Amino acid sequence: GEDVEQSLFLSVREGDSSVINCTYTDSSSTYLYWYKQEPGAGLQLLTYIFSNMDMKQDQRLTVLLNKKDKHLSLRIADTQTGDSAIYFCAAPLYNFNKFYFGSGTKLNVKP
Amino acid sequence: NAGVTQTPKFQVLKTGQSMTLQCAQDMNHNSMYWYRQDPGMGLRLIYYSASEGTTDKGEVPNGYNVSRLNKREFSLRLESAAPSQTSVYFCASTVLGAPYEQYFGPGTRLTVT
Repeated sequence: GEDVEQSLFLSVREGDSSVINCTYTDSSSTYLYWYKQEPGAGLQLLTYIFSNMDMKQDQRLTVLLNKKDKHLSLRIADTQTGDSAIYFCAAPLYNFNKFYFGSGTKLNVKP
Repeated sequence: NAGVTQTPKFQVLKTGQSMTLQCAQDMNHNSMYWYRQDPGMGLRLIYYSASEGTTDKGEVPNGYNVSRLNKREFSLRLESAAPSQTSVYFCASTVLGAPYEQYFGPGTRLTVT
């Protein structure tokens, strides 16, 4: 199977940028995903990137993909207290029958 | 459109008791999944069902059984609960088409004493 790894915690001040990193092992993943989990809730898709892209920007979110190093990052600009949540990186099996999730990065935004 | 619903939201079991976690989706998705979430471990796949009538084991299937009752419903059964099964359980379903987004239910918090 795929191994997806993330650091467990990140703490930033409100207004700063946050960068959450992820590494994965299966180079055949066609999509890579970022999911957000707010306290007491299920996961929701935040953004995704197709494997033939290096970068995707969506308002305050920037996803960077380095296929050579199998490294994915999520940058949140102007981080707000409402961005406090757990962020999961995910990669699918080639046939999308399974999805592999990282351990999640808990983002704490201090006012 | 309710999305993915799960029942119950909370459950406390004694060791050795059995129970079934229910999941339903109203989005006409083919694939459905059961995950467990433990602190520092992320989401681990227990079982999945790629289509009605099929089920397959994920990373951590021991101690669980599943039933894909129809296209909408996918249940998870604990036959003899153990304290190691204390966790938050999430059901999810996936649309068959790019970008293959997974939709998650709100979760069931299970404690086994």
